[in-house]
Amino acid sequence: SQQGEEDPQALSIQEGENATMNCSYKTSINNLQWYRQNSGRGLVHLILIRSNEREKHSGRLRVTLDTSKKSSSLLITASRAADTASYFCATDVSYSGAGSYQLTFGKGTKLSVIP
Amino acid sequence: DGGITQSPKYLFRKEGQNVTLSCEQNLNHDAMYWYRQDPGQGLRLIYYSQIVNDFQKGDIAEGYSVSREKKESFPLTVTSAQKNPTAFYLCASTRWGTYGYTFGSGTRLTVV
Repeated sequence: SQQGEEDPQALSIQEGENATMNCSYKTSINNLQWYRQNSGRGLVHLILIRSNEREKHSGRLRVTLDTSKKSSSLLITASRAADTASYFCATDVSYSGAGSYQLTFGKGTKLSVIP
Repeated sequence: DGGITQSPKYLFRKEGQNVTLSCEQNLNHDAMYWYRQDPGQGLRLIYYSQIVNDFQKGDIAEGYSVSREKKESFPLTVTSAQKNPTAFYLCASTRWGTYGYTFGSGTRLTVV
């Protein structure tokens, strides 16, 4: 079952513009993570925000989390053509107590940055 | 350089055949995972393993099998019981007590 749902499914912007992607989820979480996937490649971890945090920054990335609305947003500022990729949110809805957890991923937002 | 290696990059399977996808990591990570990715469907968890000689079913385990005989290796077998195996398969790993998965570059499986 999908826990996270990204919105929009696809986004096309001009280089230099900001890109905002949203993620909604259904159940309580410990943390929410964002990943990037270039076409035909594996996913790369971008940033994690814990359930007790509201905002986090990493370079040109800004992530917000609203646990009351069960939603998160990823903002990429001053986008570049190299940012063209799919972006996924992931939540850790399962924790077995054995030291790690299982992530559940959304369907992703496909971002195209036009030079 | 440390990382996860998936092989082969492309794999073709005939109807009724079993095929095995390889996943090897040299990151000394404890837990390993297999995900399946279909177009527009995101990633779905097939199997995961927290420790050697132990593994658990994910959301879509039917038609798949795994083993974890070594910490570094977590191969996935797609059996003939999996009726729609054409997909992109991703292996991931993580260390206990840390956050963030490291992913391999994937194997694209096609039924011919």
